[in-house]
Amino acid sequence: VQLQESGPGLVKPSQTLSLTCTVSNDPISDGIYYWTWLRHRPGKGLEWIGYISFRGTPYYNPALKSRVTISIDTSKSQFFLNVTSVTAADTAIYYCAREPGTLDSWGQGALVTVST
Amino acid sequence: EIVLIQSPESQSVTPKERVTITCRASQSIGTSLHWYQQKPNQSPKLLIKYASQSISGVPSRFSGSGSGTAFTLTINGLEAEDAATYFCHQSSGLPRTFGLGTKVEIK
Repeated sequence: VQLQESGPGLVKPSQTLSLTCTVSNDPISDGIYYWTWLRHRPGKGLEWIGYISFRGTPYYNPALKSRVTISIDTSKSQFFLNVTSVTAADTAIYYCAREPGTLDSWGQGALVTVST
Repeated sequence: EIVLIQSPESQSVTPKERVTITCRASQSIGTSLHWYQQKPNQSPKLLIKYASQSISGVPSRFSGSGSGTAFTLTINGLEAEDAATYFCHQSSGLPRTFGLGTKVEIK
């Protein structure tokens, strides 16, 4: 399986960060996996943002829940991340990953900078 | 939320030495603890799953042990290519959480 993040590398404060993860070489509709978003902010540890099943049921980190939406389009083998009302504190490398308990496959990461 | 405390924060090691990294959970997580290696400008790579299960393609010098709240990653015979940051991750509860990482440098 391969995962690839895509989206703008620069987002203005107060706007919405939107990223897409494209999954290839494995059916995204396989029921045993959860499709996950994580981020690594400068000077911080890895942070789990949330995941979604192929049925479209998401679970979010309570610390981000009010601003985060994760969705999935199985027909396009893609899942998506939206983070609203971003600030400089949302500047990070964002990763998508596949979880069957462990995080066994990761995208290469997408650097998103929040700045004017 | 389950907190994972990892130690040490960093370690400088001579090649062929043994490296031991510990991860302690704030509550019992059984064996739902996994270890990853991350090199600069790369995404994390799964090293050990469920505390002690090996991963295909990962050198046998990497091993894991533990259960409940205390876990250990051991590198037996460090090689230069093992210079990286190592971190633990729990999948026992939601939200998933991670240790802050241990940076291993080669002397």
